Amino acid sequence: GAVVSQHPSRVICKSGTSVKIECRSLDFQATTMFWYRQFPKQSLMLMATSNEGSKATYEQGVEKDKFLINHASLTLSTLTVTSAHPEDSSFYICSASYGRGASDTQYFGPGTRLTVL
Amino acid sequence: AQSVTQLGSHVSVSEGALVLLRCNYSSSVPPYLFWYVQYPNQGLQLLLKYTSAATLVKGINGFEAEFKKSETSFHLTKPSAHMSDAAEYFCAVSRTNAGGTSYGKLTFGQGTILTVHP
Repeated sequence: GAVVSQHPSRVICKSGTSVKIECRSLDFQATTMFWYRQFPKQSLMLMATSNEGSKATYEQGVEKDKFLINHASLTLSTLTVTSAHPEDSSFYICSASYGRGASDTQYFGPGTRLTVL
Repeated sequence: AQSVTQLGSHVSVSEGALVLLRCNYSSSVPPYLFWYVQYPNQGLQLLLKYTSAATLVKGINGFEAEFKKSETSFHLTKPSAHMSDAAEYFCAVSRTNAGGTSYGKLTFGQGTILTVHP
């Protein structure tokens, strides 16, 4: 149980285009979904937190106009990288949680490798 | 603000040997601590978590971790390493604000890559 999927697993795009990444909780309803970014040989950095039906909360330093997050249902959140540039190339990971408590487990997707040419 | 530090970006052990992955935390409030494992080309999977119920926490795949407040540590151990344990391991702490409210956000350590030799 508690499976999270991401689509696509990898995407290559040209500079200036927009890319959408989907995150789905397959067998549970996720109150909260999180988006992370992981650079090579580095840890996961939280980008934003989203709750179904409300605006996402972005971490300091993350451009909300560049990284658009939509959490339309309890099983789907999308991250759109707008006008992508090579510096946006990274590994994007989502996670989903039943709740918003400090001890709630996050269930992670397998990640999406974005390469911007 | 909470933070975690994982000592050693790479740990190498022989099959059957003790596994010890170190994690130290910094927190002004009682922390909730997690260990996650990431196998190649897979998402992070929860190994175990500390939620203040018991200081010795047992997880999946024979792993356990002990919360030591005096040492601000939450080291991960396994008595006997198996080849299938080769992966990257992340320690994480749940964030809480000054008022003690959490929104489930996690701060991760840098990760430790475990290599198991036959």
